Amino acid sequence: RKEVEQDPGPFNVPEGATVAFNCTYSNSASQSFFWYRQDCRKEPKLLMSVYSSGNEDGRFTAQLNRASQYISLLIRDSKLSDSATYLCVVNGVTGGGNKLTFGTGTQLKVEL
Amino acid sequence: DTEVTQTPKHLVMGMTNKKSLKCEQHMGHRAMYWYKQKAKKPPELMFVYSYEKLSINESVPSRFSPECPNSSLLNLHLHALQPEDSALYLCASSQDAYGYTFGSGTRLTVV
Repeated sequence: RKEVEQDPGPFNVPEGATVAFNCTYSNSASQSFFWYRQDCRKEPKLLMSVYSSGNEDGRFTAQLNRASQYISLLIRDSKLSDSATYLCVVNGVTGGGNKLTFGTGTQLKVEL
Repeated sequence: DTEVTQTPKHLVMGMTNKKSLKCEQHMGHRAMYWYKQKAKKPPELMFVYSYEKLSINESVPSRFSPECPNSSLLNLHLHALQPEDSALYLCASSQDAYGYTFGSGTRLTVV
């Protein structure tokens, strides 16, 4: 089983749609969780950290379920500019320090 | 300064060349990382430096040699690379488990 699993997509949605991405992780000792956005041929950029209480940033809502080892991202009112790959990222603390593990990413295409 | 700066942005090198990738941050972060990303794949961790000491080496071939001269700089020395090593090499830094910042990467092509 992969450490971090995501549906690779692509998700093709019309502008204005609501889209949800899911992610599962295998290491129950993982300590922090993130969604990153990566545009083609660019570096990953932090979209938001994910907390058990759930957190919202404008049109984006992230949720963590530690018991199920499950992370979600909801995007409301999709914009053309939301088209990108969304990476679920899990941070584990090892003897050597922090270690980010990336999911394979979910590709989103928002269309007119 | 809230950036991680990587140079060069693009690099083409032959299989017999020796080159170095550079990464710099002035955020006072104590951990620095090298990641490798192939096309349509997620970034994969190569090395972690914590307080200027190599703390994680993810079984990376010896043709990749990291170096951390001080708390702000991280280098990746390249020697005798193979065409399959062509990829985007990303540097990142963090102070704790939450504050990661990535550089824009060096796109490496080995010919």
